[in-house]
Amino acid sequence: GAVVSQHPSRVICKSGTSVKIECRSLDFQATTMFWYRQFPKQSLMLMATSNEGSKATYEQGVEKDKFLINHASLTLSTLTVTSAHPEDSSFYICSARLSSSTDTQYFGPGTRLTVL
Amino acid sequence: GNSVTQMEGPVTLSEEAFLTINCTYTATGYPSLFWYVQYPGEGLQLLLKATKADDKGSNKGFEATYRKETTSFHLEKGSVQVSDSAVYFCALKGSNTGKLIFGQGTTLQVKP
Repeated sequence: GAVVSQHPSRVICKSGTSVKIECRSLDFQATTMFWYRQFPKQSLMLMATSNEGSKATYEQGVEKDKFLINHASLTLSTLTVTSAHPEDSSFYICSARLSSSTDTQYFGPGTRLTVL
Repeated sequence: GNSVTQMEGPVTLSEEAFLTINCTYTATGYPSLFWYVQYPGEGLQLLLKATKADDKGSNKGFEATYRKETTSFHLEKGSVQVSDSAVYFCALKGSNTGKLIFGQGTTLQVKP
């Protein structure tokens, strides 16, 4: 149980285009989902926290107009990278948490974004 | 602010060797501590956790003890296997926040 999927697993796009990444909790309802960015050989950096039905909370330094997050249902959150540039190339990972009373986050397998 | 520091890798061991991956943290209050593992091509999986001082988390032969006096949560395994090859992340969650703060990850390579 507690499986989180991401789609697509890899995406290559041209500079200036927008890319949407989906994060789904397959067998549970997630009140909160998190989006992370991972640079090569580095740690995961939290980008934003989203609660179903409300606006996402972004970490300091993350541009909310560039990284649009929508958490429309208890099983789906999307991250849209708008007007992507080569510096946005990275590994994006989502996680989902059942409720605020639990510590455990379940992670998706990640999405590799390459912007040409 | 809260932070986590792990020993740099890669760590290369022979099968059946003893493993220690050091992790120290800085946090206010009483954080929860975690070890996550990322196998090649997969997402992070929770390996073990401890929520208060002197707690020992254990799973799949791995252990880590929450040491408040040394602000440490070192990961240990008595006899590693090739299948343990992965990246290991130490993380903390602050006592009044839902956010996970990760260390930089340590790559473990186990050779037959």
